[in-house]
Amino acid sequence: DTAVSQTPKYLVTQMGNDKSIKCEQNLGHDTMYWYKQDSKKFLKIMFSYNNKELIINETVPNRFSPKSPDKAHLNLHINSLELGDSAVYFCASSPRAMPDTQYFGPGTRLTVL
Amino acid sequence: TQLLEQSPQFLSIQEGENLTVYCNSSSVFSSLQWYRQEPGEGPVLLVTVVTGGEVKKLKRLTFQFGDARKDSSLHITAAQTGDTGLYLCAGERDSNYQLIWGAGTKLIIKP
Repeated sequence: DTAVSQTPKYLVTQMGNDKSIKCEQNLGHDTMYWYKQDSKKFLKIMFSYNNKELIINETVPNRFSPKSPDKAHLNLHINSLELGDSAVYFCASSPRAMPDTQYFGPGTRLTVL
Repeated sequence: TQLLEQSPQFLSIQEGENLTVYCNSSSVFSSLQWYRQEPGEGPVLLVTVVTGGEVKKLKRLTFQFGDARKDSSLHITAAQTGDTGLYLCAGERDSNYQLIWGAGTKLIIKP
């Protein structure tokens, strides 16, 4: 009965490839997020969707494209991966839009070689 | 420039000792959340403080929100190895509806 789940947990890929990370929440929350945590552990918001509508879109390269097929799912597709994309990506959800309490998934560690 | 500065960045102490970590800003926040992140996991909310001067206790953890709502502290009494983790603060500002995150304090409690 995992609340926020992400797949895969680990992703190792070559530069230039395209990859996707999937996220699902079973909490019935309206809002979902993607965060990037770099090697210094700094957590940075990337995107937020509220009821499938994009409400936060921070300065992120357009190689990153979120997709929310329904309010329980928020996927992240990354095109033309670069070395600097290596990080841990966290999906999160909240009952209402930010700044409500964030419920985080376990993270996806992406390594670009 | 970080809007929320956390200090120290890193702290390693023996089990049984007391410690305080800080979350400071020159900006006013409507509320402030504290999260703990264990290795290989996502952050988990510990507490939210809302009122200036508010003190909240969670077993051995005491959280305080500054009177001016610009800073917060987390005090741990008699630290245990299970307290090891990355402690993150995140503040809500009146001017927008995003959370501003600090860079975290990495805490290691040695047995």
